[in-house]
Amino acid sequence: DAGVIQSPRHEVTEMGQEVTLRCKPISGHNSLFWYRQTMMRGLELLIYFNNNVPIDDSGMPEDRFSAKMPNASFSTLKIQPSEPRDSAVYFCASSTLAGGLYNEQFFGPGTRLTVL
Amino acid sequence: AQSVTQPDIHITVSEGASLELRCNYSYGATPYLFWYVQSPGQGLQLLLKYFSGDTLVQGIKGFEAEFKRSQSSFNLRKPSVHWSDAAEYFCAVGSTASKLTFGTGTRLQVTL
Repeated sequence: DAGVIQSPRHEVTEMGQEVTLRCKPISGHNSLFWYRQTMMRGLELLIYFNNNVPIDDSGMPEDRFSAKMPNASFSTLKIQPSEPRDSAVYFCASSTLAGGLYNEQFFGPGTRLTVL
Repeated sequence: AQSVTQPDIHITVSEGASLELRCNYSYGATPYLFWYVQSPGQGLQLLLKYFSGDTLVQGIKGFEAEFKRSQSSFNLRKPSVHWSDAAEYFCAVGSTASKLTFGTGTRLQVTL
């Protein structure tokens, strides 16, 4: 299996620009998670989906952040407009949900975002 | 609210020495506990997990962890560290392995 795939791996943009991060979960996984990792705040859960439906977006920091999962094999995290404080590594993870319980999450390699 | 404390930000051990990384959690019920490892520029990889049953769990790469309810701890151990174990280690706690709360991580340096 190819694992969780994220693109791009690195993104450098200027303040005010729109940024779109992409994630392809492991085939057969029905849950998807977006995390942000910074030195100051560590690893934070932003949002997660079950069967393409957003379940909990309480970790999304502001309305500038939005996430979608149009199908089981693709998700996006969009920041519009971006700000320097959004600079971080963004991880996508996927897992399976069965019998009401989740199995462990498998993480992608992350997207390092730098907003100038 | 659930929380995780990893009191050691940075640990240095010699290759071949034993290792113990500390993790304390705060959670109202029986927690789901995890240890992940992150190598530089990489995502997180699951080392081991505890859901229920035997409180001593074995993981990959020779790691093990022991769940101690009375101490609210889930410390990670390895009897003999290899240079390739140098990485950052994260402890995490959750209710159903969904909404995980991660610790701030412990960076392990291995000297030869």
